[in-house]
Amino acid sequence: EVQLVESGGGLVVPGGSLRLSCAASGFTFSAYSMNWVRQAPGKGLEWVSSISTAGSYTYYSDSVKGRFSISRDNAKNSLSLQMNNLRAEDTAVYYCARDTSNYDILDAFNIWGQGTLVAVSS
Amino acid sequence: EIVMTQSPATLSVSPGETATLSCRASQSFTSNLAWYQQKPGQAPRLLIYGASTRATGIPARFSASGSGTEFTLTISSLQSEDFAVYFCQQYHHWPLTFGGGTKVEIK
Repeated sequence: EVQLVESGGGLVVPGGSLRLSCAASGFTFSAYSMNWVRQAPGKGLEWVSSISTAGSYTYYSDSVKGRFSISRDNAKNSLSLQMNNLRAEDTAVYYCARDTSNYDILDAFNIWGQGTLVAVSS
Repeated sequence: EIVMTQSPATLSVSPGETATLSCRASQSFTSNLAWYQQKPGQAPRLLIYGASTRATGIPARFSASGSGTEFTLTISSLQSEDFAVYFCQQYHHWPLTFGGGTKVEIK
């Protein structure tokens, strides 16, 4: 079964750090670009970051650029998001998501994890 | 940044009827558009990619069309499980952007 399972969410104070992980199974992880998407409580979806298959290329939304870092370990079928200098507006459910195809990093997301909640509050 | 605007924000439809959802882009592109369905407490589910191609396992009552700046998702003969929030997304250019969503509710 193709599956993505996020972990690492929790409550953190403003200015703090958190590292999210996403464990992939059921497919050739190294063949697909991967992504993080977040959803603030009661709000819509916001793309956060993407990483190419080998990790050579990374992309970030302006709202997280310079604070968040995406990475992957293809040997461990794992995706990570290091989040530093967290703000209240970073509070959201964070989803990892897989590209639909292994052709182009610019792609729709056909596999999603269940999400992990990050709450930034003092 | 390509801004995606969805309308209406809420659509009240009776079961068995057809729902038509719109998504407008601030810049023109051909087909790098996706539609997702999200139910409360669940992750989004890909319905449509390439503006009109149904994802694996998506029923034929879901159809989509459009190019340029105007895109449409049509849900025919609405079933109870179709009442949800629908998001469009462009993946033509960075940053990837989503529309604000359309909630399809029971009339």
